[in-house]
Amino acid sequence: DGGITQSPKYLFRKEGQNVTLSCEQNLNHDAMYWYRQDPGQGLRLIYYSQIVNDFQKGDIAEGYSVSREKKESFPLTVTSAQKNPTAFYLCASSITRGRTYGYTFGSGTRLTVV
Amino acid sequence: AQTVTQSQPEMSVQEAETVTLSCTYDTSESDYYLFWYKQPPSRQMILVIRQEAYKQQNATENRFSVNFQKAAKSFSLKISDSQLGDAAMYFCAYRRVQGAQKLVFGQGTRLTINP
Repeated sequence: DGGITQSPKYLFRKEGQNVTLSCEQNLNHDAMYWYRQDPGQGLRLIYYSQIVNDFQKGDIAEGYSVSREKKESFPLTVTSAQKNPTAFYLCASSITRGRTYGYTFGSGTRLTVV
Repeated sequence: AQTVTQSQPEMSVQEAETVTLSCTYDTSESDYYLFWYKQPPSRQMILVIRQEAYKQQNATENRFSVNFQKAAKSFSLKISDSQLGDAAMYFCAYRRVQGAQKLVFGQGTRLTINP
């Protein structure tokens, strides 16, 4: 079945460490997105990519980095520059052509700083 | 920049009753999509209903319907015959038709169903 796979489901980071969250899709979607979810703040966009080898900053990109070397993959690195990384992270993908609105979400990664 | 506002952090309703969740948005675009997503305790995002701005008719999906007021930039969700399985966080979201197709979310409303 087609879908988005996020791994790991739970991730623990020590202070000063970089960690990478994985997001893979087999839907042949062009666009991929990373959102951060905190209590009471809804989902905020970190980065998005509409095509391979290209990506744009979202509303809260500071302390994060991404790459899009393959259409299927859009990993997110949480760097030590991100001062408050504890949150729930959601990856999503979508088609970009035509009047389409289909968005598919992964099941998320819960990141905790220890 | 587009913004989405949900002014009700929490709502509760008796099972089998009807509840309405509010959402307002701000945009200068004339063509866009609006969505309601449900996030149960599993945290999986589930699309409940969508509305295309150029359509005047309000969208309906079984027990879920919307009241789309384009001039007022309002997009409320009505859940009829509430069921225990409807308990979840509900997010209103906006997306442009042209250009970057990122979703802009509201802050969410936590819906509790009382048996």
